[in-house]
Amino acid sequence: DAGITQSPRYKITETGRQVTLMCHQTWSHSYMFWYRQDLGHGLRLIYYSAAADITDKGEVPDGYVVSRSKTENFPLTLESATRSQTSVYFCASGMDEVETQYFGPGTRLLVL
Amino acid sequence: AQTVTQSQPEMSVQEAETVTLSCTYDTSESDYYLFWYKQPPSRQMILVIRQEAYKQQNATENRFSVNFQKAAKSFSLKISDSQLGDAAMYFCAYRSKGAQKLVFGQGTRLTINP
Repeated sequence: DAGITQSPRYKITETGRQVTLMCHQTWSHSYMFWYRQDLGHGLRLIYYSAAADITDKGEVPDGYVVSRSKTENFPLTLESATRSQTSVYFCASGMDEVETQYFGPGTRLLVL
Repeated sequence: AQTVTQSQPEMSVQEAETVTLSCTYDTSESDYYLFWYKQPPSRQMILVIRQEAYKQQNATENRFSVNFQKAAKSFSLKISDSQLGDAAMYFCAYRSKGAQKLVFGQGTRLTINP
């Protein structure tokens, strides 16, 4: 049972480049989320999705784009990476609004 | 907006002893969920324990238990018989009922001394 996976686990890119972080879950959870983790801020929600083709902004959505064409996948795209987007990104999923969220292993992104 | 505060950036405890991590939150809602997540050096976020606000009984999971004080808006985590594998960052998190957004505290780094 793979659960929830993220790829790549580590990524180095340059300012201005487009980067896509992948998230895949095998539980058929309806809800999926993207968080970023920065020192002193804990985790902050970027975007979330309640179902395929339904997405909504979280606390810090600027500079990010998401899509969800299939229930199991929820990619996060940085259209033009900036240094302030250097962070650790976590994908999570949950069955519904009651169920607990379960997290992927994270992607460490460095923008030079 | 809801906020979660963890006032202890770092804590340490001797192996086999008990430690309590503090968490306070601010909300005007009456029904919500509270969580403790553990993040070991691998960076994986692991759910430790969950509490529904409408339940008066404190949640317990093996060596982990909470002290939920709703009126005081306090949600502390007690780890009994601390083990070396408990060393990690611990995050307290809040979620409104019917909403999916988790609001996290800043985290407490727990060190276990052998």
